[in-house]
Amino acid sequence: DAGVIQSPRHEVTEMGQEVTLRCKPISGHNSLFWYRQTMMRGLELLIYFNNNVPIDDSGMPEDRFSAKMPNASFSTLKIQPSEPRDSAVYFCASSLGGQGGYEQYFGPGTRLTVT
Amino acid sequence: GENVEQHPSTLSVQEGDSAVIKCTYSDSASNYFPWYKQELGKRPQLIIDIRSNVGEKKDQRIAVTLNKTAKHFSLHITETQPEDSAVYFCAAKESTNAGKSTFGDGTTLTVKP
Repeated sequence: DAGVIQSPRHEVTEMGQEVTLRCKPISGHNSLFWYRQTMMRGLELLIYFNNNVPIDDSGMPEDRFSAKMPNASFSTLKIQPSEPRDSAVYFCASSLGGQGGYEQYFGPGTRLTVT
Repeated sequence: GENVEQHPSTLSVQEGDSAVIKCTYSDSASNYFPWYKQELGKRPQLIIDIRSNVGEKKDQRIAVTLNKTAKHFSLHITETQPEDSAVYFCAAKESTNAGKSTFGDGTTLTVKP
């Protein structure tokens, strides 16, 4: 099992550019979560999906952030336009959910730097 | 919504000593309480978890206790080793099957050799 896959692992971009982060959850997992981690704010849940449907996006900081899950094996988090304060490590995680278990398996993260 | 508070924010112990990290939660309906360990530059990984129908769970040198009445749970690490040095996060999950987990702010544990 390859685990949760995220790409790119590192992204450096200039302010104002569009950034797209990608995630492939573990096959068979029903829930997918996007987190942002910074020293100042810790680990923040941005949005999560269940069976490809967004359930709670209350953590999305503003309209510049959007997320999609077009199918069970792929999700994207988009920032447009990006700002320096968006610099962080973005983690995607998936879990079986329900009787299958609630453990979240995290991907390796994408380190985003906006200059 | 759920609110999770974690203490202390930093903890330093000598190798071989025990370490205890405590968390409180606000939503009495939360039913799953995992602990994640994050080493420097790596992803969080589950080390132990407990469900609301259990008071204590142990796995080798680590144990978790849950007090539902007081709405707090704790992580205990015995015989600490330098490789236990990491950031530890507690979390509380809401009771719906597809519910989210709310994470604490993390505890940076340093084990001095």
